[in-house]
Parts: sequence; C-alpha cells; structure tokens
Amino acid sequence: GNSVTQMEGPVTLSEEAFLTINCTYTATGYPSLFWYVQYPGEGLQLLLKATKADDKGSNKGFEATYRKETTSFHLEKGSVQVSDSAVYFCALSEASSYKLIFGSGTRLLVRP
Amino acid sequence: EADIYQTPRYLVIGTGKKITLECSQTMGHDKMYWYQQDPGMELHLIHYSYGVNSTEKGDLSSESTVSRIRTEHFPLTLESARPSHTSQYLCASSDRPHEQYFGPGTRLTVT
Repeated sequence: GNSVTQMEGPVTLSEEAFLTINCTYTATGYPSLFWYVQYPGEGLQLLLKATKADDKGSNKGFEATYRKETTSFHLEKGSVQVSDSAVYFCALSEASSYKLIFGSGTRLLVRP
Repeated sequence: EADIYQTPRYLVIGTGKKITLECSQTMGHDKMYWYQQDPGMELHLIHYSYGVNSTEKGDLSSESTVSRIRTEHFPLTLESARPSHTSQYLCASSDRPHEQYFGPGTRLTVT
C-alpha cells in the first residue's frame, strides 16, 4: 500500500542553521506530495506541494523537490528562525483522490 | 485563510459521558474529515464524508460516530467516553483532490 516515511525527530537547530527533513514515499502511480506544518496548539497548514516529478514546491523560504527516481520529497530551508519551531508532516495523495496519507511527523526546535 | 472551526478547543470529561465535538466550515466544501492525533503526533483518519448524508469510516477503527446533515457541519459523537479516547481530534475539509484545510483541533481528556 501507499506510505510515507519521514525522519524521526526532534530536530534541534540553532537559528540561521540549514534545515533538511527527509521524506520518502511508496506509491503506485503518480501521487501528489505535500508538506504540512503544525504550530503548537493549532491544526495543520499546507506549507507547500508538488504535483508531478521534478516540480519544486516553495513557500516562506521552505522548498522541496519531487524526485521520482529516489521517491523522495525532502524539505529544506537555508536559514531557520525560532518561529519555524513546529511539527512538519510529509503527505501524499493519489491522483484524483481526496484522501491524504501522512508521515509520522518531525518536530523541529529552533534555539536562539 | 481557511474558515473551519472546532469547538470546544479543550474538553475534560469523566468516563461514561456522552460528548459531541463540533466542526463547521464556511467554505462550502463537500468533503470533510476527522483525524485522531495521538501524543506521538501521528495522524489517523477515523471518518470522512464526501457530501450530505454520506459518511464513511476511515483507516483507524473508532468507537465514535459522525453525521453530515448539512454541508457545513460535521459533528463527531462519542456515546460513552473512556480514557482510551483521550487524544487530539482534528477536523478538515476540501473541495478538490489533494488539498485539505484543517481546524485548530479539540484536545479531549477523559478521566
């Protein structure tokens, strides 16, 4: 079946450090890929998405590239801020499906 | 900005009580979802609806029930709460494949 695997956290970084959160997936066909973010005490928000191979999603300084050859969608940011502290979820959705399959989440803690 | 609301935000209740978690959205979305989020953060789909009078069970078995009488409203009910129901419950909606908008969640504690 379809699944998403992301690196375990917590990931602890100093402000202005480079961030990578790894995400790999297993799917039949050509899924769309997403990163959602959950700030403390809130629901999830869509951070970025990519709907086909080699697409790059980007938002708020974060970016991720849909790599079909390695079935990956790693999240990166060049310089993290304390306000980026949150839980990040990688997710996929099969073509024309209304369901999302989430990874287990990675907690990011950025220290001043 | 997504307009999806959940009430209450926090609820502490005793074992055996009946509870209803409310979820409403003002975007006119046909599709709505309930997720249970465990303390380890993992999300589990427990119910979904693709329209009025249509409800389905999700990937994780749940003792809760849902109803969808109006497009904008998707309440979740537990007839008899137990400590094992302690969790965070997230509601979401969508109007197209792939993208879901989430409410702020209800944190339920059953004592």
